[in-house]
Amino acid sequence: QVPLQESGPGQVKLLGTLSLTCDVSGGSITSVNWWTWVRQPPGKGLEWIGEIYFSGSTNYNPSLRSRVRLSVDKSKNQFFLSLTSVTAADTAVYYCARAPNSGASYRSLDYWGQGTLVTVSS
Amino acid sequence: QSVLTQPPSASGTPGQRVTISCSGSNSNIGTNSVHWYQQLPGTAPKLLIYSNNQRPSGVPDRFSGSKSGTSASLAISGLRSEDEADYYCAAWDDSVSAVIFGGGTKLTVL
Repeated sequence: QVPLQESGPGQVKLLGTLSLTCDVSGGSITSVNWWTWVRQPPGKGLEWIGEIYFSGSTNYNPSLRSRVRLSVDKSKNQFFLSLTSVTAADTAVYYCARAPNSGASYRSLDYWGQGTLVTVSS
Repeated sequence: QSVLTQPPSASGTPGQRVTISCSGSNSNIGTNSVHWYQQLPGTAPKLLIYSNNQRPSGVPDRFSGSKSGTSASLAISGLRSEDEADYYCAAWDDSVSAVIFGGGTKLTVL
């Protein structure tokens, strides 16, 4: 098992910056995986935000690229999401997940955190 | 707007077989593997099928996946009440270097 746990403020002010942390326990963040963020607005579907490799390589959703930054702290086995200039449309449950970078389950999201609700308020 | 197209809803009675379709294009399903996720009410998504037709350990063999060309399908046989959930397909899209999700299909067990 590779439990993942999201943490961060449950509320962010309009036009502020959303910052979340994902703790990776039970495995090393330097393993052959992409560390991923996915979000889900209330009552809506899943939206892939982006992914980061332990080396720092990233891929982002084109629709969010200008506002998103992912980072990783290998010493703490954590990775992070920063989303700037948030609006009500960014209100969502945010999930962190793991995507294997090799093997049969390549690029599936095989482990997920429980998710954390972030509400953008004025 | 999702690049992968799924029907918004599906339904069946206990014991029936239902299928959920996922339509894409050459840059995603046509080139890369399709993965399916099950999201039970109020919970995080769970990997249900990976690499088009592989089941993770613990997923019943009532669930099966297939892919042909730029489309994929999830089949659930012997439908059970606990299968009532949202189902999402996903694939890597080479044209945007990103993961694309389908819009999701809400399965109702009548």
